[in-house]
Amino acid sequence: GENVEQHPSTLSVQEGDSAVIKCTYSDSASNYFPWYKQELGKGPQLIIDIRSNVGEKKDQRIAVTLNKTAKHFSLHITETQPEDSAVYFCAASRRGSTLGRLYFGRGTQLTVWP
Amino acid sequence: EPEVTQTPSHQVTQMGQEVILRCVPISNHLYFYWYRQILGQKVEFLVSFYNNEISEKSEIFDDQFSVERPDGSNFTLKIRSTKLEDSAMYFCASSEALLGLAGGDEQFFGPGTRLTVL
Repeated sequence: GENVEQHPSTLSVQEGDSAVIKCTYSDSASNYFPWYKQELGKGPQLIIDIRSNVGEKKDQRIAVTLNKTAKHFSLHITETQPEDSAVYFCAASRRGSTLGRLYFGRGTQLTVWP
Repeated sequence: EPEVTQTPSHQVTQMGQEVILRCVPISNHLYFYWYRQILGQKVEFLVSFYNNEISEKSEIFDDQFSVERPDGSNFTLKIRSTKLEDSAMYFCASSEALLGLAGGDEQFFGPGTRLTVL
C-alpha cells in the first residue's frame, strides 16, 4: 500500500517568514494530494489540494508543488501569521481505483511566533 | 457553511463494552468515511461507505467494527467489544463525489470523537 512520509514534525517560524512542509509518497499511482490543517479541538480542515495533472497550485498565501518523478509534494505558506499555527497533514490518494481512501503523513506542528 | 458533525466529543468506556460513534455528514454528500488516529500515530483509514454498503475497508476494520446509515442523515460506527488499543480519536468524513476530475471529491472531516477504553 501507499506510504506517506512528512517532514519536519515540528516547525517554528517568526511571523512574516515562510514555512515549508515536505511529503513523499511511495505509490506512483497516487494522483490526488490534499493538505489539511488541524487546530486544537477541531477536525482536519482541507486547505488546498493538487492533482497529478498539475505541478503547482496557489491560493493566496498558500501554495503546493508536486514532483511526480521524485514522488514528493510540498506545502508553502508565505507571510505567516500567528493564526497559521496548527498541525498540518499531507495525504495521498489514488482516484480511479481505490475508492477515496486517504493515506496520511504524521503531521507537522507549525508554530508562528509574533 | 455546511460541516460534518460528530457526537459525542468524548466517550469513555470499559473494555469489552459496545460503543456507537455518531456522525452527521454534509447533507448532499454521498460518500462517507471513518478514520482514526491513535495518539502519536498517523491518521488511518478504517472504512468507506456508499449506497448503503461498504465500499472499502482496511485491515484494521475487522469483525468487531460495523457501520450503518440508519436514516437519511446519520452515519454510525459501532465497535462491538472494545479493547484498550481501540482508544483513539475517530474522525468521520464525507464527500460529494468520488472521482471528480476537477473537484467534488474532497473529503470534509468532522471534529472527531475521542474514545477512551479503560
